[in-house]
Amino acid sequence: QAQLQESGPGVVKPSETLSLTCTVSGAFISSYYWNWIRQPPGKGLEWIGYIYNSGNTNYNASLESRVTISADTSKNQFSLHLTSVTAADTAVYYCARHTYGIGLESWGQGTLVTVS
Amino acid sequence: DIQMTQSPSTLSASVGDRVTITCRASQSINSWLAWYQQKPGKVPKLLIYKASSLESGVPSRFTGSGSGTDFTLTISCLQPDDFATYYCQQYSLYSTFGQGTKVELK
Repeated sequence: QAQLQESGPGVVKPSETLSLTCTVSGAFISSYYWNWIRQPPGKGLEWIGYIYNSGNTNYNASLESRVTISADTSKNQFSLHLTSVTAADTAVYYCARHTYGIGLESWGQGTLVTVS
Repeated sequence: DIQMTQSPSTLSASVGDRVTITCRASQSINSWLAWYQQKPGKVPKLLIYKASSLESGVPSRFTGSGSGTDFTLTISCLQPDDFATYYCQQYSLYSTFGQGTKVELK
């Protein structure tokens, strides 16, 4: 399994941009589907989007206007940018690897981002 | 978008019980469905993929079934370690999670 580690600010001001990075070891991000998922406190999981082949992306339609996922193959990292955040974007953000046909079999430990 | 509806939202059960959780997709997803277990403060763990394939290391008391739009996760003999929240996820068209089912002690 791959190892994934999220990093980024724990607090973001309303209306600003939330930016997180996921550093991957044990696998190349040029393969697989690399996902962002979030979980508001006490609530369920919400898929945000993924990047594959280092540049192709798909996003949750409810977030698509505010989300960008990008990849840096030289650092084996991929990133999430979520613009115009509000308190509703407060959540634990996870990065995860989707292996085709299998699902999300490797996850980062998650990072709490508070919009305040 | 494909919507995933899980039921029940909460399930009260005792150790040794047989437990079944259902997940319904708003359109056919063939067998592109996974089940995850999440304990409080922990990362979700993949249990079942492709509707019925058991992830390596997952106890055989967990079984998944279904195809098309209707799916089930069954725990044949509930163990103390199984009290958790379970999520289904479709990955036929992008991805969507169900809202979760909390299995709690009766």
